[in-house]
Amino acid sequence: KNEVEQSPQNLTAQEGEFITINCSYSVGISALHWLQQHPGGGIVSLFMLSSGKKKHGRLIATINIQEKHSSLHITASHPRDSAVYICAVGDSGGGADGLTFGKGTHLIIQP
Amino acid sequence: EPEVTQTPSHQVTQMGQEVILRCVPISNHLYFYWYRQILGQKVEFLVSFYNNEISEKSEIFDDQFSVERPDGSNFTLKIRSTKLEDSAMYFCASSKIRTGGTEAFFGQGTRLTVV
Repeated sequence: KNEVEQSPQNLTAQEGEFITINCSYSVGISALHWLQQHPGGGIVSLFMLSSGKKKHGRLIATINIQEKHSSLHITASHPRDSAVYICAVGDSGGGADGLTFGKGTHLIIQP
Repeated sequence: EPEVTQTPSHQVTQMGQEVILRCVPISNHLYFYWYRQILGQKVEFLVSFYNNEISEKSEIFDDQFSVERPDGSNFTLKIRSTKLEDSAMYFCASSKIRTGGTEAFFGQGTRLTVV
């Protein structure tokens, strides 16, 4: 069973700052997902990664398969980025179909 | 853009009652999932469903839970006799293939409160 750890648990930053959220996992995966959860509760998929790096607007996600580690970066952060960011991993095969989730990082961007 | 829809958004039920949570997955998706998030805790996998049968289930998904795809579009989660500890946000998700290898699309969730 995979263990997914995120850091930091809570992060408060000023508008415009560069944000980094980290995720590590314990066993091999097929893919890693970064998700965003807003106060209303809904979950939105940001990225799915199996290697390398992806960029979407001000968001960048990277993964290092050998080190079992991924980072989510937000450039030029804005108050609307305030949300919980969740890392989730898919099993590498033969295991559960569902995702295993981290506890999330609660991000607050102050104006 | 296609989306997963869940109804109701909030349900309050008395302990011991049966509840059915409903989901309409994205139409060309083949895998369907239910997840649960107890307030303040992480999201947990309940069950996956493929080809009209359960593909995988977690230890949380005991005999009180069941899933069904009754009409080819809806995907339901039934809790037979609710307990206080079933109070949580329940998320439905769907994907084209197993979510290990593809993006998962989540519904907005149903907040279940058992009183």
